[in-house]
Order: sequence, then structure tokens, then C-alpha cells
Amino acid sequence: SQTIHQWPATLVQPVGSPLSLECTVEGTSNPNLYWYRQAAGRGLQLLFYSVGIGQISSEVPQNLSASRPQDRQFILSSKKLLLSDSGFYLCAWGDFHNEQFFGPGTRLTVL
Amino acid sequence: DQQVKQNSPSLSVQEGRISILNCDYTNSMFDYFLWYKKYPAEGPTFLISISSIKDKNEDGRFTVFLNKSAKHLSLHIVPSQPGDSAVYFCAASGRGGSQGNLIFGKGTKLSVKP
Repeated sequence: SQTIHQWPATLVQPVGSPLSLECTVEGTSNPNLYWYRQAAGRGLQLLFYSVGIGQISSEVPQNLSASRPQDRQFILSSKKLLLSDSGFYLCAWGDFHNEQFFGPGTRLTVL
Repeated sequence: DQQVKQNSPSLSVQEGRISILNCDYTNSMFDYFLWYKKYPAEGPTFLISISSIKDKNEDGRFTVFLNKSAKHLSLHIVPSQPGDSAVYFCAASGRGGSQGNLIFGKGTKLSVKP
């Protein structure tokens, strides 16, 4: 069966510091991978998606970037965090049925 | 411009009664709709879906209805249980969006009171 891992579960970072959130998927090959952010009152906002290694599409302009160095690894990064980057970050993988399966999420607080 | 709208941010229902969560969409190219359930500090979990070729899909206590002409779908939970208390997200995908991408609503927080 497929599983999706995210770490860390929680993170508190000062403004201006870098960020690296990692997501890995097991039990599937060549999945579509997604990064979402859930901010208060804003639902689930798609940040990035990837259909393959090295292929990244950005949905919204922002302070963040994403990379996919391996088939089942998806990384969300920032060089300098802003206060507005605080939120709950979710990684997901998608199958050809258009269903997506989410990881446990990372709660990021930028102070 | 929101393509998927959940106009009720919250809903409170008595245990044993029916919960009805609503969702509207604007993009007529959407052809697949999903509902996700999310507990605090956890990732959303898939609940039920419906293709645009159907108008109803049922799975146990959960039924999703699709009205294509009104661009409206709803999730019915019968009977509601306290464990159903969570945020419910409606999502849509289709030929109008990037392949495999889902467009989510802002969610409705359901509270089921014992």
C-alpha cells in the first residue's frame, strides 16, 4: 500500500531564516506530487505540483520554491521566511483517478 | 476568482440527524468531484467522489449528490455522529484545469453535538 511521509511535524522559525520541508512517498511509482498550504480561513491553496523528476509547476507567486530530486521525493524550500509563510503545509500524491492522498502535514510558525 | 465555493464556513447538527454540506462550482469543464474530511493538525482524507456522468454516489452513511445544471453538489451524512465533527473540503477537477490538479473550496466546519 502507498504511504506518504512528511517531516518535521512542527517547526518554529524566525523571520528571514531558510526553510526545507520534505515529503516522500512509498508504494507507488511516478506519482503526481503536490504541495498545499492551509492558512486560516483560506482553505487548501495549491502551491506547487510535479508530474515527474525535475518538473515543477508553480500555481501562485510567492516566497517559496519546490524541487523533486527523486521520483518519490518532493521538497518545499525558502531562502528567507516571511511572517505570512506561517501555515499548515500539506504534501499529497495523486493517482490517475484524480484522487489525491495527503500526508500528515507540517505546522510552520514564523516568528 | 473562486472556482469552487463552500459558502457555509460552519454547520452545527445534532447527533443522529442529517448533515448537509453544500458546494458550488463555476467551471463547467469540471467533471470529477471529491469530498475530503480533515481533522485538526492532520492531512485531509478522501471521503467520497462523484463523476459528472452520475448524479448520486452513496457509500454507507455518506451520499454525494451532483446537480450539473445548477453547478452544485452536496454531501449528506446520515445519521450524523460526533466523530464526524471535522472540516469538510469539496474539490473539483477536470479538463479545465491542469491534469490531475484539484481545486478545493475553503471548507465547512461540521460540529455534531451529542
